[in-house]
Amino acid sequence: TQLLEQSPQFLSIQEGENLTVYCNSSSVFSSLQWYRQEPGEGPVLLVTVVTGGEVKKLKRLTFQFGDARKDSSLHITAAQTGDTGLYLCAGFSGYSTLTFGKGTMLLVSP
Amino acid sequence: DAGVTQSPTHLIKTRGQHVTLRCSPISGHKSVSWYQQVLGQGPQFIFQYYEKEERGRGNFPDRFSARQFPNYSSELNVNALLLGDSALYLCASRIGPLTGLSYNEQFFGPGTRLTVL
Repeated sequence: TQLLEQSPQFLSIQEGENLTVYCNSSSVFSSLQWYRQEPGEGPVLLVTVVTGGEVKKLKRLTFQFGDARKDSSLHITAAQTGDTGLYLCAGFSGYSTLTFGKGTMLLVSP
Repeated sequence: DAGVTQSPTHLIKTRGQHVTLRCSPISGHKSVSWYQQVLGQGPQFIFQYYEKEERGRGNFPDRFSARQFPNYSSELNVNALLLGDSALYLCASRIGPLTGLSYNEQFFGPGTRLTVL
């Protein structure tokens, strides 16, 4: 069973601060996705990274896929209250299943 | 355009009962996947259906079954409910089968919250 470990599990910061959350595995993934989930809703896809070493930017969010395709990070610059939510990473192993991590719960206070 | 819809939104059952959850994919999407999300955990893959055929199954007991209809909607059935089956059940749809290709984005519905007493 391929596992994705996310850290930290919970993060509480003030608006305007920067933060980084991590997604690590001992397994290689063909691609990795990041989702954000708000209470009472399903996860919403933020990005898919495919190539080792790839960096993608989505406004204030920067996603990086590790060179060995075993880990990824999400960096948020100048966090806003609207960034509050559960951030999930999920990896494809080449089969038709998607393995999710347990998530990082982010709370951004005004 | 309507997104993925799931029904019911909430459900309370007792141990040993049976439950059926329903999902309608986005129009034009032929693949539906089901996930179980226990409180404090990430979603766990249960099934994928594409063109009415099972394309993948996660590590769940045979009490869990699903099917996809000609209109691509889907049902998830759980028999002999256990307390541990209490969770948010998510349905996700996509145009094609679930693969590691970046353009094959899947869209999640809001989920059905199942409580087993």
